[in-house]
Amino acid sequence: AQSVAQPEDQVNVAEGNPLTVKCTYSVSGNPYLFWYVQYPNRGLQFLLKYITGDNLVKGSYGFEAEFNKSQTSFHLKKPSALVSDSALYFCAVRDVWVTGGGNKLTFGTGTQLKVEL
Amino acid sequence: GAGVSQTPSNKVTEKGKYVELRCDPISGHTALYWYRQSLGQGPEFLIYFQGTGAADDSGLPNDRFFAVRPEGSVSTLKIQRTERGDSAVYLCASSLNRVDSNEQFFGPGTRLTVL
Repeated sequence: AQSVAQPEDQVNVAEGNPLTVKCTYSVSGNPYLFWYVQYPNRGLQFLLKYITGDNLVKGSYGFEAEFNKSQTSFHLKKPSALVSDSALYFCAVRDVWVTGGGNKLTFGTGTQLKVEL
Repeated sequence: GAGVSQTPSNKVTEKGKYVELRCDPISGHTALYWYRQSLGQGPEFLIYFQGTGAADDSGLPNDRFFAVRPEGSVSTLKIQRTERGDSAVYLCASSLNRVDSNEQFFGPGTRLTVL
């Protein structure tokens, strides 16, 4: 079974400071990893993904994430936070080796990011 | 281009009633997914279609839930004899089915409230 853990319910950061939102995963095979952002009363918006290759993945709005296989982590980062980054962030995993339609994503419980002036 | 659309955006029904939720995927996306998001939780997988067939329905909670995609495009999630515990936001997503382009794009969701 695949699972995702987001250990922080909320992360607070000052505008202009770097931010990190943590994610760890568990799969039986190799993972596909994703980050999504959810603004109030809106659907999930894709930010970035890791499939293979370079462990540092760059995505939308200046976000990036680093895949660490030994620590089974995929933390989301941004060098300089903006107030407009305040939203709910979800990490998700898909197990590459699951056959028979294994495209389903397993999501974490989400981390609320609050960026303050 | 147009994203994933879902109708209705809100649905209020009474316990025991039947409801249908509709999803229009992005044109050309062969894969379609339904998820359910309860308050304070991440989305939970319900069912995945590849074309017209349900490739994985392991997330459907019981036989009151059923989904169809008869022409490989629009999908309808059907819930019979609704219960208060079915109240949640139902999300639909679609994707291409390529290894290098498999991210799922989500619609705005249908908020279902069962009174």
